[in-house]
Amino acid sequence: EIVLTQSPATLSLSPGERATLSCRASQSISFYLAWYQQKPGQAPRLLIYDASNRATGIPDRFSGSGSGTDFTLTISSLEPEDFAVYYCQQRRAWPPLTFGGGTKVEIK
Amino acid sequence: QVHLVESGGGVVQPGTSLRLSCAASGFSFSTYGMHWVRQAPGKGLEWVASFWFDRSNEHYADSVKGRFTISRDNSKNTLYLQMSSLKAEDTALYFCARDTGGIIGNLDYWGQGTLVTVSS
Repeated sequence: EIVLTQSPATLSLSPGERATLSCRASQSISFYLAWYQQKPGQAPRLLIYDASNRATGIPDRFSGSGSGTDFTLTISSLEPEDFAVYYCQQRRAWPPLTFGGGTKVEIK
Repeated sequence: QVHLVESGGGVVQPGTSLRLSCAASGFSFSTYGMHWVRQAPGKGLEWVASFWFDRSNEHYADSVKGRFTISRDNSKNTLYLQMSSLKAEDTALYFCARDTGGIIGNLDYWGQGTLVTVSS
């Protein structure tokens, strides 16, 4: 099973700042990584798929990069609605589909 | 507009069974793979099961294999999760989610979830 490790667990930033979230895979997953955003009381929302492709309707302040074992989600300038929990997920070798433990982006 | 609505959750005792449903609308249900993902209270996301668009294959997490069965009725645009021998650790919010294709592994639309509580 491929394990995804997200860091940091919590990121405290102010609106307008740049957010950089990391996801590391226990073995190479090529580019088969997605990122999801989840706000309290809501379902997850697909942001990025296959490492760097924005899903439909996702603002361009969200970008993804990486391949192999190291991936990054960048939010170029945080908007108030971006404060949420972010999960990475791999589909390189499944089952099982696996998710990272999440990074909470909170207001500083 | 894609819409997924889960139902069937509730409070049940350990060892009993429950069937969850996910009603889909706004897309051609029979051409997409579908998934169940759960989230224990205050915890992260855990994949549970997946079903191919053409019903040719299904996969389960080890934690539910042999106890849960995923199925779909393409004529009713509905996905199901039959859960048996429920344990306290199955307590979670259960989401159904649509795959971006027949069964690719990216989940692009999610329902709001149905809560299952297993407690004596």
